[in-house]
Amino acid sequence: NAGVTQTPKFRVLKTGQSMTLLCAQDMNHEYMYWYRQDPGMGLRLIHYSVGEGTTAKGEVPDGYNVSRLKKQNFLLGLESAAPSQTSVYFCASSYSGGDTDTQYFGPGTRLTVL
Amino acid sequence: SQKIEQNSEALNIQEGKTATLTCNYTNYSPAYLQWYRQDPGRGPVFLLLIRENEKEKRKERLKVTFDTTLKQSLFHITASQPADSATYLCALPPSGGYNKLIFGAGTRLAVHP
Repeated sequence: NAGVTQTPKFRVLKTGQSMTLLCAQDMNHEYMYWYRQDPGMGLRLIHYSVGEGTTAKGEVPDGYNVSRLKKQNFLLGLESAAPSQTSVYFCASSYSGGDTDTQYFGPGTRLTVL
Repeated sequence: SQKIEQNSEALNIQEGKTATLTCNYTNYSPAYLQWYRQDPGRGPVFLLLIRENEKEKRKERLKVTFDTTLKQSLFHITASQPADSATYLCALPPSGGYNKLIFGAGTRLAVHP
């Protein structure tokens, strides 16, 4: 099993450009999450999904959109990138999102917006 | 809103000693707390979960305590090794929700030979 994979690993964008980050998991997990991690601020939840076809806002959703068309994939889109979106982005998944469920993380995508 | 505090300063200890990391939280009482390890350039990896009715949980050289009165969890690594050097994150479910986690900023541990 590959677990949780993320594409791409690195990306540099210019302000105003758009891009899509892809997250894939092969563990048949229902729940998937997108986080950003900035120095000194820890992981902050952007959007999450509790199942195929569903999405919900997290703590910092502005400037991002997501889609979960297939259970195994969770896409994060930036329509018009801004320097404030320079960060490391992590995708995670969990089996049920239940009250004790743990999250499995991907390796991250390092995004720089110039 | 809920707040999680972990010591932002790195913890430097000598190999073989016990490392103790602290996670403090405010404004509510979570049903459980999780600890993750994160190595540079990689995603976090789950280590341990402790419920509110458990005082202590152990796994090999790791021990976690959960004091709901003090609103604090302590994470101990006994007989520490240089390979234990990493950032350790604590995470809690938000108030009123159980399908998400709120993460602390983490504490970096450096174990010196």
